[in-house]
Amino acid sequence: GENVEQHPSTLSVQEGDSAVIKCTYSDSASNYFPWYKQELGKGPQLIIDIRSNVGEKKDQRIAVTLNKTAKHFSLHITETQPEDSAVYFCAASPGDAGNMLTFGGGTRLMVKP
Amino acid sequence: DAGVTQSPTHLIKTRGQHVTLRCSPISGHKSVSWYQQVLGQGPQFIFQYYEKEERGRGNFPDRFSARQFPNYSSELNVNALLLGDSALYLCASSPLRTDLGETQYFGPGTRLLVL
Repeated sequence: GENVEQHPSTLSVQEGDSAVIKCTYSDSASNYFPWYKQELGKGPQLIIDIRSNVGEKKDQRIAVTLNKTAKHFSLHITETQPEDSAVYFCAASPGDAGNMLTFGGGTRLMVKP
Repeated sequence: DAGVTQSPTHLIKTRGQHVTLRCSPISGHKSVSWYQQVLGQGPQFIFQYYEKEERGRGNFPDRFSARQFPNYSSELNVNALLLGDSALYLCASSPLRTDLGETQYFGPGTRLLVL
């Protein structure tokens, strides 16, 4: 089955700096890669996703890149703000019957004001 | 529009008991998935239902079962509870199945504590 590894497990940045979180996956059949933000006591919130037919996607301060050959994808947050502090999860899905998401272990991002 | 709703929000049970968790998907969504999130870890896939049929099952024992109703709401049942079943149980809904992955929207979860 699919295995997703996520690094780093914790990340501390100064407000205004950029943050980068990286994930690798094992199943070459995976073709959908969402990123979720989870705040304390809440369910995961989708922040951006990318499909295998594109290499990069951007939404304001958030961008995701995908390298299918190397089987890795990354989340980039620019101009970080204290409200960006949360746990971020990457996930991968084969997109076929079942469409299950396999999640990474999470990255706790702390943005210091 | 209302998002995914789950009930109850919190639950305390003792070992050996049975529990039923409920989920209502976003209006118009026909697919519901269940995930277990142990503290400090990423969610793990348990089941997916689409149009009332099971379309995927994760690596969980037979003590876990689920079903989807004609209105697309869903129940997750866990029998013979173990201490290790203590976790946040998340429900996610999505509108359609496609070949290029389907965006899933999560509810707030039900936090289950087994004593």
